[in-house]
Amino acid sequence: SAVISQKPSRDICQRGTSLTIQCQVDSQVTMMFWYRQQPGQSLTLIATANQGSEATYESGFVIDKFPISRPNLTFSTLTVSNMSPEDSSIYLCSVEGLAGQETQYFGPGTRLLVL
Amino acid sequence: GDSVTQMEGPVTLSEEAFLTINCTYTATGYPSLFWYVQYPGEGLQLLLKATKADDKGSNKGFEATYRKETTSFHLEKGSVQVSDSAVYFCALSSRADGLTFGKGTHLIIQP
Repeated sequence: SAVISQKPSRDICQRGTSLTIQCQVDSQVTMMFWYRQQPGQSLTLIATANQGSEATYESGFVIDKFPISRPNLTFSTLTVSNMSPEDSSIYLCSVEGLAGQETQYFGPGTRLLVL
Repeated sequence: GDSVTQMEGPVTLSEEAFLTINCTYTATGYPSLFWYVQYPGEGLQLLLKATKADDKGSNKGFEATYRKETTSFHLEKGSVQVSDSAVYFCALSSRADGLTFGKGTHLIIQP
């Protein structure tokens, strides 16, 4: 099965700064997604990272706050901009399309604490 | 819109007890259904899935059957172990994009 990695695994940031999270897959995939898991909560889809075009954002999430890049079929980044303590969450990337399967597999997550 | 409702915990059981975690859904069309598990301090892992009505997903002794008539996908295991302690998420996929998750059920198995 594929290996999905995220960097950094965790970080502590000051309010007002930005953090870019990387997601790398060791094989090409069709779809990549970004989710947020706030403390003690379920996962919420932020956006679908589209290769070669702008990401598709869910209601409540905007590009200025969460810019996303996907330059190829194995890599994506999510930036959390102008952070506030409310952005403290686990951010997870997921991929779909491994071996043609319509199943999403998740990376290990990035634990973000904003002070 | 799509939604998933699952029993909220924590659910506390003794080792070797029978487990049921209820999950019901609302969706347009014919969604695929999933159970994911999150062990303490770890990422989200796919536990099992079912893609059409009456399909049964199974893995590691866990089972769930896709019941279209009751819009349910309850998770069951005949004899739980301490190592099954985790948070379990029911999820569905009905569009060509992300998953819709339930709120998660925290399962605690006591020796």
